Amino acid sequence: EIVMTQSPATLSVSPGERATLSCRASQSVSSNLAWYQQKPGQAPRLLIYGASTRATGIPARFSGSGSGTEFTLTISSLQSEDFAVYYCQQYNNWPYTFGQGTRLEIK
Amino acid sequence: QLQLQESGPGLVKPSETLSLTCTVSGGSITTTNYYWSWIRQPPGKGLEWIAYIFYTGTTNYNPSLKSRVTISVDTSKNQFSLTLSSVTAADTAVYYCAGQPSWFDPWGQGTLVTVSS
Repeated sequence: EIVMTQSPATLSVSPGERATLSCRASQSVSSNLAWYQQKPGQAPRLLIYGASTRATGIPARFSGSGSGTEFTLTISSLQSEDFAVYYCQQYNNWPYTFGQGTRLEIK
Repeated sequence: QLQLQESGPGLVKPSETLSLTCTVSGGSITTTNYYWSWIRQPPGKGLEWIAYIFYTGTTNYNPSLKSRVTISVDTSKNQFSLTLSSVTAADTAVYYCAGQPSWFDPWGQGTLVTVSS
């Protein structure tokens, strides 16, 4: 099973600033990596797939990069609605696995 | 636009079987573009993929749960279902169904299942 490790566990950032979230895979997942945003009481929402392709309706301030074992989600200018928990997920090997999440909080 | 909705009991007794159904609307479950998955999230914790099914009946299970899980599909009702046997408190979670082109999208709203006597 591929283990996905996200860092940091919690990130404190001020509105308007940039946030950079990291995700590392225990073995290569090529570009088969997705990012999700989850707000309290809601289902996760797909943000990015293919490591760097924004899902339909996702604002351009969200961007993904990386391949192999190292991935990054960048939010260029944080809006109030962006404070949430973010998960990465690999879909290169079964069972598909998620990272433990990064909580993005208001500084 | 595909929409998914979970349904089933919110409370299950220890050692009994959890049964949930996901109803797909806005499209056919027989599409070749999607597999159909169940994912769960214990309170305050992360996400765990449980199983998927294709409309033909092809299935895949998480090895960690395989001995207790069955996933099935009813194409006439545009539904797929999950059963999890011999539940314990560790199975208490929000259970989500999701469409799966490869990644998971869309998701149902989730349903909380509590295992307690």
